[in-house]
Amino acid sequence: DTAVSQTPKYLVTQMGNDKSIKCEQNLGHDTMYWYKQDSKKFLKIMFSYNNKELIINETVPNRFSPKSPDKAHLNLHINSLELGDSAVYFCASSQGAGTSTDTQYFGPGTRLTVL
Amino acid sequence: AQSVAQPEDQVNVAEGNPLTVKCTYSVSGNPYLFWYVQYPNRGLQFLLKYITGDNLVKGSYGFEAEFNKSQTSFHLKKPSALVSDSALYFCAVRDRTGGFKTIFGAGTRLFVKA
Repeated sequence: DTAVSQTPKYLVTQMGNDKSIKCEQNLGHDTMYWYKQDSKKFLKIMFSYNNKELIINETVPNRFSPKSPDKAHLNLHINSLELGDSAVYFCASSQGAGTSTDTQYFGPGTRLTVL
Repeated sequence: AQSVAQPEDQVNVAEGNPLTVKCTYSVSGNPYLFWYVQYPNRGLQFLLKYITGDNLVKGSYGFEAEFNKSQTSFHLKKPSALVSDSALYFCAVRDRTGGFKTIFGAGTRLFVKA
């Protein structure tokens, strides 16, 4: 029943490790996003894919690599984790291709803690 | 460049009183404007959006927002606050040149006291 799901919900890891976060949406949407929410709750877009193609790539370290195997999935892989990567990562999706009116639907978030 | 400002980090209101959460924006053209709410340990949920037409937009849970082009504002309002409205509220903007990039404000924490 969950529209946008993310796994895992919590991720605790050591500096230097590589980790992945998975996202799936069952809404039939064409566009998916990754956002980072820092400790001050500031929400910033990282990436967006439309029909498996990268359309937004903000100023994000290249240690972060999104992958979209199909339009229902958008995974985020992070190499060589750093302390500053600790945050809550939200996946979202929206209908359509090219319209700015679309509502985004958010997943529950993945709280990443780097020790 | 697009930007969104939520001038208040926190808004406190007594249950039953009206509430307002402020938002101002800056875009190069006409905006699409959104309000989202985040409850603790949850993802953001859509409340309402302004696309075109009537400046007063009604949304979920009794919330409404008024688009004011001259003041470049899109304040969120509710006539009578509930304790359950306590949450973090985000204003967001996209401009009409298209694209998928949404800019979110810094968020305003609403506390409704019983």
